[in-house]
Amino acid sequence: DVKVTQSSRYLVKRTGEKVFLECVQDMDHENMFWYRQDPGLGLRLIYFSYDVKMKEKGDIPEGYSVSREKKERFSLILESASTNQTSMYLCASSLLRTSGTRETQYFGPGTRLLVL
Amino acid sequence: RKEVEQDPGPFNVPEGATVAFNCTYSNSASQSFFWYRQDCRKEPKLLMSVYSSGNEDGRFTAQLNRASQYISLLIRDSKLSDSATYLCVVNMNSGNTPLVFGKGTRLSVIA
Repeated sequence: DVKVTQSSRYLVKRTGEKVFLECVQDMDHENMFWYRQDPGLGLRLIYFSYDVKMKEKGDIPEGYSVSREKKERFSLILESASTNQTSMYLCASSLLRTSGTRETQYFGPGTRLLVL
Repeated sequence: RKEVEQDPGPFNVPEGATVAFNCTYSNSASQSFFWYRQDCRKEPKLLMSVYSSGNEDGRFTAQLNRASQYISLLIRDSKLSDSATYLCVVNMNSGNTPLVFGKGTRLSVIA
């Protein structure tokens, strides 16, 4: 059974703090993703990674950075948290897509971040 | 035009009803299609893939219409436990690019 875990279910931080959100998957997936989900806006892709030390910007990377030092771990960093970063953050992983494959994306349980 | 569009709902239906959701996608070169289900305050999970010939899984039927660029999900004999948000998901091209998620359609099945 694929398992994607996130370091915290709930997090409260203050404006200006540096925030680390950790994600670990146990299925040796190449691809990992960070999304945020807000009411009425759906899932929005922040960053993704195809391999260790590789990262690609998603649709809304501003204010975020990521780190992938090991294949199983993908971290999202808020360098200086702001109130508009209050959201549900979801991590996901999937196999590298090759021709003919139909990958499934597996999500972690999410981290609800509140920035005061 | 948004890449993947869905009616946000909510669809409020009685138990036992049949309900259908549609989703349109913008890229005619899209390769693969999925429906994900997301329960309240939980993460999305794969419900079913959508194949060109259409496919069925119990009470759920998914269909693809490439000419009109839409996919559909039909739920027969709705159960209270079917209440959730259903996300339409599309792989827009053949490369290893991220899936594109619709904003979801909310379903409430009422006793």
